[in-house]
Amino acid sequence: SAVISQKPSRDICQRGTSLTIQCQVDSQVTMMFWYRQQPGQSLTLIATANQGSEATYESGFVIDKFPISRPNLTFSTLTVSNMSPEDSSIYLCSVLPPRRQPLDYGYTFGSGTRLTVV
Amino acid sequence: QKEVEQDPGPLSVPEGAIVSLNCTYSNSAFQYFMWYRQYSRKGPELLMYTYSSGNKEDGRFTAQVDKSSKYISLFIRDSQPSDSATYLCAMIGGIYNQGGKLIFGQGTELSVKP
Repeated sequence: SAVISQKPSRDICQRGTSLTIQCQVDSQVTMMFWYRQQPGQSLTLIATANQGSEATYESGFVIDKFPISRPNLTFSTLTVSNMSPEDSSIYLCSVLPPRRQPLDYGYTFGSGTRLTVV
Repeated sequence: QKEVEQDPGPLSVPEGAIVSLNCTYSNSAFQYFMWYRQYSRKGPELLMYTYSSGNKEDGRFTAQVDKSSKYISLFIRDSQPSDSATYLCAMIGGIYNQGGKLIFGQGTELSVKP
């Protein structure tokens, strides 16, 4: 399966600041997904990062708050902007399996970024 | 009504028990069904996936899908303390024509006591 590396693994940030999270995949993938997992909750999709085009955001998430970059087929970043304590969550990236690869080649997750906003 | 419903638990069983974890769903277009395991402070790990109806077995784990009832299950035989984790179901219809987006259940927290 695709191996996903996420940085940083955790951070404690002051309110009003921004944090950029990096996601690196060991192979080229079509789509990368950014999720948020609030304490004790399931995963909520924030947006889909498409290479060469704007990210597609889910209802309730906006580009100004969560800008995403996807400069190539193996890398993406998610920025959490103007943070408040409500942004304290785990942020995770995942990838779509390439066509003609088994489904479980993709849909794996990075280890996540545990963000605490104080 | 959520598209995918999963009992959040917590579920506590003795070591060696058979565990049954379940999800129901409302969207008949779902075709791929996954089970993830998530240990505390870790990202979700894909355990198994099933396409359409039927059973799939991998060691102590068996995934079942009943599309007629819109019901999926994960069975864990001879449960071990190391199985203690949160288990999430996830599903999707056509992967590439629906933007690849998985729909997750709420997750069930499982504790296996020695």
